[in-house]
Amino acid sequence: DSGVTQTPKHLITATGQRVTLRCSPRSGDLSVYWYQQSLDQGLQFLIQYYNGEERAKGNILERFSAQQFPDLHSELNLSSLELGDSALYFCASSPSGDTQYFGPGTRLTVL
Amino acid sequence: DQQVKQNSPSLSVQEGRISILNCDYTNSMFDYFLWYKKYPAEGPTFLISISSIKDKNEDGRFTVFLNKSAKHLSLHIVPSQPGDSAVYFCAASYRSGGSNYKLTFGKGTLLTVNP
Repeated sequence: DSGVTQTPKHLITATGQRVTLRCSPRSGDLSVYWYQQSLDQGLQFLIQYYNGEERAKGNILERFSAQQFPDLHSELNLSSLELGDSALYFCASSPSGDTQYFGPGTRLTVL
Repeated sequence: DQQVKQNSPSLSVQEGRISILNCDYTNSMFDYFLWYKKYPAEGPTFLISISSIKDKNEDGRFTVFLNKSAKHLSLHIVPSQPGDSAVYFCAASYRSGGSNYKLTFGKGTLLTVNP
């Protein structure tokens, strides 16, 4: 158990809908990272937050957004969902250094 | 452009033997490298890391070697155990303006350790 929790574990929704994925980092970790893993791609970095502020953006679509709250939990919002958004979404946290600890992931299925 | 490459999608070894997983990178700015293990339906689990100032790091049965001139790293598992069967991801990061350490991952190598 990495200490990072993610909810929900599975999510099934329809095209055009909006969903919110939630992540609670390890106690004391200030950085939260979001990654997407689809079938034909490896793990792709989406976005990073550090102590409530956005720090880095990767290949994140404009339909996607995230935030980190004062209690350090983070939410990833995915809107106008398309079939191609079906993937595993992982959250990772780290104190401030390079090693990131991953949650169990949320499997999103868009029908 | 794939900056971190794991050219072997799969590897099969016998229990007790050495497993060697390889990884190549193209971005010379990378200065920290990690290996993660992933079981199906679970998140990646951190295994071992190495900074670019070192060429070797050991942790129990796991050793990571870094060859900066060749932009190559490898993970050695000795002895291999059936429980090591999983997908192994190589990842790299570099400092870019403060505490941003986004990881760039390879596509993974499926290791199967046969009893």
